[in-house]
Amino acid sequence: DVKVTQSSRYLVKRTGEKVFLECVQDMDHENMFWYRQDPGLGLRLIYFSYDVKMKEKGDIPEGYSVSREKKERFSLILESASTNQTSMYLCASSPRRAAYEQYFGPGTRLTVT
Amino acid sequence: AQKITQTQPGMFVQEKEAVTLDCTYDTSDPSYGLFWYKQPSSGEMIFLIYQGSYDQQNATEGRYSLNFQKARKSANLVISASQLGDSAMYFCAMTPGGGSYIPTFGRGTSLIVHP
Repeated sequence: DVKVTQSSRYLVKRTGEKVFLECVQDMDHENMFWYRQDPGLGLRLIYFSYDVKMKEKGDIPEGYSVSREKKERFSLILESASTNQTSMYLCASSPRRAAYEQYFGPGTRLTVT
Repeated sequence: AQKITQTQPGMFVQEKEAVTLDCTYDTSDPSYGLFWYKQPSSGEMIFLIYQGSYDQQNATEGRYSLNFQKARKSANLVISASQLGDSAMYFCAMTPGGGSYIPTFGRGTSLIVHP
């Protein structure tokens, strides 16, 4: 069964902390994505990776960075968390030639206080 | 730049009836893909259906069909014979052509199916 897992379901951090969100997929997919989901705004792409060590900025990369050292793992890093980064974060993966068919993780609800 | 617009924040439908969720898009790419996802209250995103811009026929997957009208730049999702389990958020999205894999999602439509 296809699986995308995220390291935490719920996370509470303080302003200024460095935050790591981990995502692992077991489908040997080339593409991996990080989105944030806010009510009324839908899904907004933060970063996208199409191969190991390769990344592209999405619509809202400011305040975030990513790391993909292994094909199955894609990390989202908040260098200095701020309250406006309180959100639901969704990770997804897809085969290279079918970027539309994304498999999503369960999400991490991050609260920054 | 590509854009997806879903103008219906919320929709209601009676069980067993059909419902259409609207989606319009804007792109200058000649080649692109359009697709829909479902997000139940549990939170997981579920891929429903895909339509390529050069596909001649509308895509169908079980009770889901994508009403693709290229000239009007619309890609409406039609759910036939609604079920209570269809209650969820529905997101329309697109990917550009030319080898790019970066998708754009709409803001979503909340569908509630009444018994």
